[in-house]
Amino acid sequence: DAGITQSPRHKVTETGTPVTLRCHQTENHRYMYWYRQDPGHGLRLIHYSYGVKDTDKGEVSDGYSVSRSKTEDFLLTLESATSSQTSVYFCAAQGGASYEQYFGPGTRLTVT
Amino acid sequence: GESVGLHLPTLSVQEGDNSIINCAYSNSASDYFIWYKQESGKGPQFIIDIRSNMDKRQGQRVTVLLNKTVKHLSLQIAATQPGDSAVYFCAEKNPGTYKYIFGTGTRLKVLA
Repeated sequence: DAGITQSPRHKVTETGTPVTLRCHQTENHRYMYWYRQDPGHGLRLIHYSYGVKDTDKGEVSDGYSVSRSKTEDFLLTLESATSSQTSVYFCAAQGGASYEQYFGPGTRLTVT
Repeated sequence: GESVGLHLPTLSVQEGDNSIINCAYSNSASDYFIWYKQESGKGPQFIIDIRSNMDKRQGQRVTVLLNKTVKHLSLQIAATQPGDSAVYFCAEKNPGTYKYIFGTGTRLKVLA
């Protein structure tokens, strides 16, 4: 897992509440990613970061924002959670000369 | 744990046989490809990668074949073991970016 942790691992929240998921890496990787994984869709990119304070949108970014104030932390915020955001969220990091992405263990989010 | 989906295509193989998992990718300009393994409740784990200027790459018990003519990628696992049971999916990298597109995956079941 290349030192990638996610918190919380499980969360249940109500529609309309804000939620923040945290990804932490210890390998000083430059690139970090947030994906969601849903049945029948595979992993879909929400946002990614190519450096501190440098972020860009992925294919399913609506309703999500991110922040990266330090190399090791990448936060994903659901501004006002909806039931369609119930999913498993994975963080990944990549750096160095390799294109290999290392994934965290995932966060299962349920919006009721 | 985090599950990857209930209706994935499934490949069942006898323990000790070879497995071949296929993937069709979308962008003929993609320049890098990865195969991942995902066990139940865990994040995806890197297996093997290949660059677009190669046709074949071998690792320990695994081989990836790339056919750019038909945009096809395959993963061959030799002497399949019970521990190989998991969901496998491919990812392609967009050229000039660090964004990846993931396939939906294939579930591999190893029969004793």
